[in-house]
Order: sequence, then C-alpha cells, then structure tokens
Amino acid sequence: ELKVEQNPLFLSMQEEKNYTIYCNYSTTSDRLYWYRQDPGKSLESLFVLLSNGAVKQEGRLMASLDTKARLSTLHITAAVHDLSATYFCAVDSFSGGGADGLTFGKGTHLIIQP
Amino acid sequence: DAGVIQSPRHEVTEMGQEVTLRCKPISGHNSLFWYRQTMMRGLELLIYFNNNVPIDDSGMPEDRFSAKMPNASFSTLKIQPSEPRDSAVYFCASSFSPASGGRETQYFGPGTRLLVL
Repeated sequence: ELKVEQNPLFLSMQEEKNYTIYCNYSTTSDRLYWYRQDPGKSLESLFVLLSNGAVKQEGRLMASLDTKARLSTLHITAAVHDLSATYFCAVDSFSGGGADGLTFGKGTHLIIQP
Repeated sequence: DAGVIQSPRHEVTEMGQEVTLRCKPISGHNSLFWYRQTMMRGLELLIYFNNNVPIDDSGMPEDRFSAKMPNASFSTLKIQPSEPRDSAVYFCASSFSPASGGRETQYFGPGTRLLVL
C-alpha cells in the first residue's frame, strides 16, 4: 500500500521567514504533485515533478524531488500572508498505462502571521 | 475554459435516500477521477476512468457506491442508500493522458459538499 507522509502537519510562521515542508512516500515513483487548498475551496495545482532531481519554482515557492530518497520538499522563501493555506503532496500509483489516481498526504496547514 | 464542473455544489439529504453527484470534465481530457475529503480520512481516491473505462474502483467504500462514465463529457457518482458517515466533500478531477505515456496534472472541480442527516 502506497503511503505518503507530510511534515509538519501544522506550521505557524512569520512573514519574511523561510521554511520547508517535507513529503516522504513509501514506494518507487518518479511522479509527485503539490497542491494548495484554501479553506472551503478546491485544490489548486502548484507543481508536477516528473523525474529525479526535478526542481520547479513559482514565485516564493520551490519544489524538488529526490526519487532515490523518496522525498520531495516544498520550500517557502520570505513568506507572505497570502501563502497561508493547506499544502498537499500526492503521488500516483503508476500502473504503467494511462493516468493513475493519486494518494495524498494529510496536508500541511500553514499559517503566516504578520 | 470552464474547468471541471460539478453539481450540485451542496446537497443535504436524509439517511436512506439516493444521492447522485455529477461531473463534467475539462474538454479534451481523457481521464476522470472521483475523490472524497473528510477531516478524519483526508483525501481519498474512490475510482477513476481512462477513456470512459473504469480502471480502479478499489477505493469505493462499499456496494452502496457506484460510478459511471457514459461518455467523455459526463460522469456520475451515486450513493444508494446514503448514510451519515458518507458526509464529506466529493471532488471530481480530470487530466489528459497522452497515448505515449507521461503524466499531466489533475485539475479539480469545486466539489460537492454532502451532508447526510
């Protein structure tokens, strides 16, 4: 059974600080996804990481993937209040054919305080 | 692009009633997914379809749940009979899977908030 673990699950930080969210998964996969969810809203795709060593950046967020360590990180640089949300990582089960369903971590609830 | 469309957005029903949730994927997408989100269990995959064919329904909780995709632009998730423990937000997502393989992001709909009394 594929397991995806995120830590921390809750994070309160101040603006302008840097922090990293970690995502570990239990099976070989080279496809990892990061999503953002605002309270009461749907999931918004942030990054799709499709190979070992992949690094993607958008604004103050940067995601990376190490398939050998089965680890992805989401790094937040100089946090601002607008980044307060819940962040999920997800891994697909890779059946070798078409698209696969995703297994999600429990999410990291991020609060950024002025 | 209208994105993934789900209806209804909110549903309140009584235990024992039949509930039908509907989803229209993004035009041109050939994969469709149903997920459920609760505080206790987080986000769970229920079932997914590739080219209208159900691929994996191992996440469907029990026989009370069924899903269909009669064509490329429409899918339903039905619960009959509904129970209070089915209360959750149900998301539909779609993606494009090229025949050559590869992965693209899954785009989520707004969700249906279901409350079973």
